Amino acid sequence: GAGVSQTPSNKVTEKGKYVELRCDPISGHTALYWYRQSLGQGPEFLIYFQGTGAADDSGLPNDRFFAVRPEGSVSTLKIQRTERGDSAVYLCASSLTNLGVGADTQYFGPGTRLTVL
Amino acid sequence: EDKVVQSPLSLVVHEGDTVTLNCSYEVTNFRSLLWYKQEKKAPTFLFMLTSSGIEKKSGRLSSILDKKELFSILNITATQTGDSAVYLCAGPFNAGGTSYGKLTFGQGTILTVHP
Repeated sequence: GAGVSQTPSNKVTEKGKYVELRCDPISGHTALYWYRQSLGQGPEFLIYFQGTGAADDSGLPNDRFFAVRPEGSVSTLKIQRTERGDSAVYLCASSLTNLGVGADTQYFGPGTRLTVL
Repeated sequence: EDKVVQSPLSLVVHEGDTVTLNCSYEVTNFRSLLWYKQEKKAPTFLFMLTSSGIEKKSGRLSSILDKKELFSILNITATQTGDSAVYLCAGPFNAGGTSYGKLTFGQGTILTVHP
């Protein structure tokens, strides 16, 4: 079946603008994660959804970042008043379950490369 | 503080060589350790390890975990140019007692395989 998809693949915006990044997880996967990856670093956790609710948003860097998953499938990561430091690849992942080792096996999408000028 | 460290940070080899990538970790509550291969953007799942001493194998790739010494290795034999990628080690290292998989990643090892 189809893997995790993310759109757009690339987004260039100007400082101060608002952006939305979309993630479509693998069908039937209940858990969805957002990560951010800066150049030369491993991905860093941002937020986790179980169903429609954000169960853990402790990785969001500040209140300019927000994410939703209104119907328990597609998720949107929203960034307000973008700053140059927000430039990174934003990765989405999903897992079949949210419990134990079943939650650890996460499948990643191709990411959105965000560039803030 | 839980952490994961990968070494080397980069490695350049020629086709046919065998490589060993290292991942050491310090965690409060270990549950699993995962290896991913990242080409361009999407990390691709390779292995999940939960038990010491049991080798996981897929073609020319294999991995093993040592829970006593707190490390894992990823071996690639007879390397090919298509193995060139960033290899990431990860686990729910900072999840504490939580059940879900909030993964913490190492910095990655950049592997370059020349023809």
